[in-house]
Amino acid sequence: IAGITQAPTSQILAAGRRMTLRCTQDMRHNAMYWYRQDLGLGLRLIHYSNTAGTTGKGEVPDGYSVSRANTDDFPLTLASAVPSQTSVYFCASSDSNRGQPNTGELFFGEGSRLTVL
Amino acid sequence: AQSVAQPEDQVNVAEGNPLTVKCTYSVSGNPYLFWYVQYPNRGLQFLLKYITGDNLVKGSYGFEAEFNKSQTSFHLKKPSALVSDSALYFCAVRDIRDDKIIFGKGTRLHILP
Repeated sequence: IAGITQAPTSQILAAGRRMTLRCTQDMRHNAMYWYRQDLGLGLRLIHYSNTAGTTGKGEVPDGYSVSRANTDDFPLTLASAVPSQTSVYFCASSDSNRGQPNTGELFFGEGSRLTVL
Repeated sequence: AQSVAQPEDQVNVAEGNPLTVKCTYSVSGNPYLFWYVQYPNRGLQFLLKYITGDNLVKGSYGFEAEFNKSQTSFHLKKPSALVSDSALYFCAVRDIRDDKIIFGKGTRLHILP
């Protein structure tokens, strides 16, 4: 059982380059999320998606974009990376009943460590 | 917008003693509250949640949390701490108007042998 798979595990990137972090889940969860984790700041929500075809902005969306073309995949793109985007990025998913409040817990990937120089 | 506060960056507890990790929240409407644990170089793992019902919620690894609506708190507790409980703990709240889930900054728990 894979759960949530993130790739790459780690990446060093030059400032100004474009980067896509991949996230795939095999649990058929409706909702998916991207967080960044920084020392002293905890986890901050970047973008989320309630269901395939819809996305929403989180707490820190600037400089990032997402797409949700299907249920399983939720890639996060940095169009032009900057050093302040150096962080550990976590993808997560949650079971959501359409039209009902989502009471499900999050399942997390193992994270992608990104360094922007 | 919802928010979560974990007032302690670090909590130190002797093994065998009870532990408490504090969390307060702010959200419109009824809160959905969660606790997660993170071990080094790993993703977060779910511990427990409060949706409705009994204010005392029991979860994994002997942890429990008490929902207090008047104090807008959801403190994590365990009667007898283990060294293996040492980790980073996060409180989270879900806004039922959308599916945003917001986390606190985390509390590092050190259990001293």
